[in-house]
Parts: sequence; structure tokens; C-alpha cells
Amino acid sequence: SQQGEEDPQALSIQEGENATMNCSYKTSINNLQWYRQNSGRGLVHLILIRSNEREKHSGRLRVTLDTSKKSSSLLITASRAADTASYFCATDAKTSYDKVIFGPGTSLSVIP
Amino acid sequence: DGGITQSPKYLFRKEGQNVTLSCEQNLNHDAMYWYRQDPGQGLRLIYYSQIVNDFQKGDIAEGYSVSREKKESFPLTVTSAQKNPTAFYLCASRRSSYNSPLHFGNGTRLTVT
Repeated sequence: SQQGEEDPQALSIQEGENATMNCSYKTSINNLQWYRQNSGRGLVHLILIRSNEREKHSGRLRVTLDTSKKSSSLLITASRAADTASYFCATDAKTSYDKVIFGPGTSLSVIP
Repeated sequence: DGGITQSPKYLFRKEGQNVTLSCEQNLNHDAMYWYRQDPGQGLRLIYYSQIVNDFQKGDIAEGYSVSREKKESFPLTVTSAQKNPTAFYLCASRRSSYNSPLHFGNGTRLTVT
């Protein structure tokens, strides 16, 4: 399987705290993507990081990629109740053009 | 506004019936995808298509079929051979470049009884 695990499976924090989610994968990749899903809805793209990049920022989001460890992390700083959602990483493998595989996701609850 | 439309939002069928889920996009994207999501789980890839009249099996294609006769449309048929079809189905698309993100529809929740 191309995809590995995300941890934690569930995370509960207080508003204002930072949230960190991790993603591991198994194969060589072209890029890694992070998505957000509110309950019962489609996924929304957050950040795409290419295999030759190590870190990327977008507003309160910071993504890191370590290709030697085949892992990535998503940091949400100064969390808000509206950040409550499930977060998924997805990978584009080098050997399977256009085949995008998702991890199991992390369920984040931000308590006001 | 450009986007992906999945219809219907909720679908109910009796066991043994085939059912077709619609997915239409007006983003002029080349690649389209179908994923299945079970409660509390991640997304599993059913089929994907990079170009009209061509598609590839994903990780759980058994019991499903697709067609790609037009660039805008990628319907998914859940056949009676699918042993556990009740799930949330998500369609997505993206530009042909592999370094581009997926755009998702809002999903169809299929219940088979």
C-alpha cells in the first residue's frame, strides 16, 4: 500500500493551543497534500508540498516533509473552534502517475 | 462558479439493484476520481481517469464500474456484486499536472437495504 498511518487518530485541544498531526507513507512520492473535511462534506485542499520542499506555510498552517523518514506533519497554530474537522494527508506516488492515495485521517476537536 | 457537482446528495436502494452516482465538473480538469468513505475512516480509491475514454482501477474497484465518455462527466455505477455498498462516495478532479490538488464534490451518501 502506498499510504501509511496518520497520528494521532483523534486530538482534542483547547482554543488557542497548537495542533500537530503526523502522516507517514511507504513509497517515493512526487508530492504530499493535506486536506480538511467537515462532517458529512467533501474535502477541501489546504497545502501541497512537493518532494523537493521541506517546509511550507499558509496562514496558520505549517507543513513539513521529511522524505528520508517518509513522514510529514501539519501544524495548526492558535487553533479556533472552527478548525474542528478531520484532516487527511494524501500522496502522489512517483510510480503511479495520478493515483492519489489518502491516509486514515486525524479527527481534531477544538474546545472553545 | 466552477466546481464539482455530485447528485443526488442521498440515495436509497434495495439490495440487488445497480445504482449510478453522478459526477459533473466544469473546471476543465483532465483527471477525475471516485473515492469511498466509511464512517470514521479515510478515503479509499475506487477508480480514476486521466483522460476521456480511459480509466484505471483503484484499490477497491471490485463491484464498481465507471465510464468517461465526456471530459466533464465521470459516473460511477455500484453494481449488485458490491457486497457492502452502503457508504459515502466522493468524486474529485484536478488538472493533469500531478503537482496540482484535488477538488472535491460534496458527496453522495448511498444506503442499500
